[in-house]
Amino acid sequence: QSALTQPASVSGSPGQSITISCTGTNSDVGSYNLVSWYQQHPGKAPKLMIYEVSKRPSGVSNRFSGSKSGNTASLTISGLQAEDEADYYCCSYADSNTLVYVFGTGSKVTVL
Amino acid sequence: QMQLVESGGGVVQPGRSLRLSCAASGFMFNSYGIHWVRQAPGKGLEWVAFISYDGSNKYYADSVKGRFTISRDNSKNTLYLQMNSLRAEDTAVYYCPKERGWGQDRGYGLDVWGQGTTVIVS
Repeated sequence: QSALTQPASVSGSPGQSITISCTGTNSDVGSYNLVSWYQQHPGKAPKLMIYEVSKRPSGVSNRFSGSKSGNTASLTISGLQAEDEADYYCCSYADSNTLVYVFGTGSKVTVL
Repeated sequence: QMQLVESGGGVVQPGRSLRLSCAASGFMFNSYGIHWVRQAPGKGLEWVAFISYDGSNKYYADSVKGRFTISRDNSKNTLYLQMNSLRAEDTAVYYCPKERGWGQDRGYGLDVWGQGTTVIVS
């Protein structure tokens, strides 16, 4: 099963909003409301930002929001801040005999 | 607080074996499934394996199936990954994130991550 497709890079100025797309298939994103998003700063472990498409864990800023339409999920960061500069990965449940999760290709967010 | 600490990484020759460990604390380890996820240098995240809360269900990525074995000892709050027949392409940082879903559930997100342990096959 192939990785989910994300744009390699997304950029925005402080205070702006950006959206990262994550395109999968009918076997993963399109079939389950089980998409999660992770933020990873250089040299650090990933951090869960969104789960079950649009839910935020305790402690995650409400500037981060998620949505899904068909086979494409999206992460929106509003009020972009310098500390949001990081790599972001989407991830979807994929029910098969051999696979549980499939990750996205990753997107580098740059705050201009 | 919930914590996962990976260990056991190192430099190993192709074809050899290595066993990674993941020590858990701060949550009911025997109630949650745990995964292994890896990240090759400069690359993205790759899901590797999953084991259910009681060890009864295990799943593997095709890239490691038949070579890697995931297991857990709930009496020691510890997860393992036995890696055999290692290849250069297994070089990566290995993480053991906790599944958000309870019991046999999976797919609900990975909410606790350790700092990772580095495996270099060379």
